[in-house]
Amino acid sequence: GQQVMQIPQYQHVQEGEDFTTYCNSSTTLSNIQWYKQRPGGHPVFLIQLVKSGEVKKQKRLTFQFGEAKKNSSLHITATQTTDVGTYFCAGPESLETSYDKVIFGPGTSLSVIP
Amino acid sequence: DTEVTQTPKHLVMGMTNKKSLKCEQHMGHRAMYWYKQKAKKPPELMFVYSYEKLSINESVPSRFSPECPNSSLLNLHLHALQPEDSALYLCASSQPAASTDTQYFGPGTRLTVL
Repeated sequence: GQQVMQIPQYQHVQEGEDFTTYCNSSTTLSNIQWYKQRPGGHPVFLIQLVKSGEVKKQKRLTFQFGEAKKNSSLHITATQTTDVGTYFCAGPESLETSYDKVIFGPGTSLSVIP
Repeated sequence: DTEVTQTPKHLVMGMTNKKSLKCEQHMGHRAMYWYKQKAKKPPELMFVYSYEKLSINESVPSRFSPECPNSSLLNLHLHALQPEDSALYLCASSQPAASTDTQYFGPGTRLTVL
C-alpha cells in the first residue's frame, strides 16, 4: 500500500539555527498537507500544497512540493522555542480514490535548545 | 468557527465499562473522522463518516463502535476495551471528496484503560 516517510525522526537544534524535514511518498500525491502537533496537543493544519514544484511561505516557514509530486519539505529559518513540536506531512490515499483518507507520515520531532 | 470540540478531555475506564466519546463541529463539514494516536506516533485512522454514512472502517475491533447522529456530531462508543487501547483519541472533520481536504482536529480525549 501507499507509504509516506519522513526524515529525520528527531532533530535537536540550537535556537536560531535552521531546520528542515523531508517527506517522501511511495506514490504520486494530488496534494500534500503539513500539520504541527505541540507536546500534549493535537495536530494543527499548517498548509496544503497542490501544484507540482509549488513553494509557499509562512513567515519563517517555507514549504515545497516536488516536481514529481512525491516529495515535500518544510524548512524553518532561525528556529524559536515556539517551533517545538512534531511536524507531520500527510497526503490523500490515492489519486484514484476519494479524498476521504489521508496517510500521515511518522513525523519529525523538533526540539529547540534555548 | 473553525473549532472541533471533544468531550471528555480525559477518561479512565475499566475493561468491563461502557463509555462514549463525543465530537462536535459547526463548520458545515460533511466528513468526520476518528483517529487513535499513541505516544510519539502519527494519528492512525479508525473510521471515516461521509455525509453521515460510514465510508471507511480500518478493520477496527468491534469493541469500538462509531455513530454519526447528524452532520455535526460524531460519537465513539467503547465497550470491553483492553489496556492497549489506552491512547489519545482524536476527532477531525473536513469537506469530503474535495481537492482541499484539510482536516481540522479536535483537542482529543486521553483514554486510559485499567
